[in-house]
Amino acid sequence: TQLLEQSPQFLSIQEGENLTVYCNSSSVFSSLQWYRQEPGEGPVLLVTVVTGGEVKKLKRLTFQFGDARKDSSLHITAAQPGDTGLYLCAGAENFGNEKLTFGTGTRLTIIP
Amino acid sequence: DAGVTQSPTHLIKTRGQQVTLRCSPKSGHDTVSWYQQALGQGPQFIFQYYEEEERQRGNFPDRFSGHQFPNYSSELNVNALLLGDSALYLCASSPVHRRRDTQYFGPGTRLTVL
Repeated sequence: TQLLEQSPQFLSIQEGENLTVYCNSSSVFSSLQWYRQEPGEGPVLLVTVVTGGEVKKLKRLTFQFGDARKDSSLHITAAQPGDTGLYLCAGAENFGNEKLTFGTGTRLTIIP
Repeated sequence: DAGVTQSPTHLIKTRGQQVTLRCSPKSGHDTVSWYQQALGQGPQFIFQYYEEEERQRGNFPDRFSGHQFPNYSSELNVNALLLGDSALYLCASSPVHRRRDTQYFGPGTRLTVL
């Protein structure tokens, strides 16, 4: 069974600060997704990374897939209150077996 | 373009009852996956359907079953409900002829079992 561990579990920072969230596993994934989820709603897809070492940017968010495809990070620059939410990473084992294994999430709170 | 839709939004059942949840995928998507999300946890994969067949299944008992219709919509059925089945049930869809790991989620159905 593949497991994804996210850290930190909870993070509360001031508006304008930078932060990094980590997603780690001992298993190799063919791809990794990052989602943001608001209370009572479904997760919203932010990005999919598929190549080891890949870096993708989405405005103030930077996503990186580890060279060995076992880990990933999400970096937010100049955090804003609208970034508040539950951030989930999810990995797919291999092409043809695309069920997603989710991490337990990082609950981020940005204080105005 | 409508996203993934699910119905109902909320549902309250009692132990032992049966429930059916419904999902319509995004336009252009042919694959539907179902997930269970308990409070404070990440979603857990239940099963995935495409071409009207169950293709993959997670570690859920046979009480959980599903169906996919020719128009790609899907149903999740849970029999003999237990208190532990209380959760947010999420449906996700994936595009035709593309990687099925890129999944778009609906708003979920909140099931409460009393």
